[in-house]
Amino acid sequence: SYELTQPLSVSVALGQTASITCGGNKIGSKAVHWYRQSPGQAPVLVIYRDTNRPSGIPERFSGSNSGNTATLTISRAQAGDEADYYCQVWDSSTAAFGGGTKLTVL
Amino acid sequence: QVQLQQWGAGLLKPSETLSLTCAVSGGSFSGYYWSWIRQSPGKGLEWIGESNYSGSTNYNPSLKSRVTISVDTSKNQFSLKLRSVTAADTAVYYCARVYCSTASCYDYWGQGTLVTVSS
Repeated sequence: SYELTQPLSVSVALGQTASITCGGNKIGSKAVHWYRQSPGQAPVLVIYRDTNRPSGIPERFSGSNSGNTATLTISRAQAGDEADYYCQVWDSSTAAFGGGTKLTVL
Repeated sequence: QVQLQQWGAGLLKPSETLSLTCAVSGGSFSGYYWSWIRQSPGKGLEWIGESNYSGSTNYNPSLKSRVTISVDTSKNQFSLKLRSVTAADTAVYYCARVYCSTASCYDYWGQGTLVTVSS
């Protein structure tokens, strides 16, 4: 199965930029999706196919993907951005999720 | 607005069969694949499998021997059955709509159902 590696936690100062990485073998050749999950809630899709934002997701959320690392970037971080973030790809007819990153806004 | 409403038994004994159903409203049912995803307490997300409206399925290899996902197109519903459950199957189970065609992302999710397996 395809393995995705995320840092357990990332901290960012209020108003600054947070970057959450997702590592995988040649992940740049795959479409990467990102989800935000607040406690007790279902995940919410925030980026799909590397760089695309669903309607309703602020422009502060952006994504990139190259080589062995995909990155979710959150600009002008707000207190409400505190959540767990998961990356996901589709590989060999199965979905693989990263282990998740807890984002803390200081 | 697409909505997914799920339900099913929340407490099972070891060796029993988990059964959950998800009803889809507000959008096309036949045009998508539909998936089940679970999350063990305090852990990450695990994909269980998916089905389209005609019953074409894909399953997580680690669960394939125990899982069946089926659809009822007359009711715009799809269901999950997981046989011979153990404590390791304790998790919040989510239903979700598959978006992104060949790259499978999930744009609409059910509210989640906590299933606890305990003797």
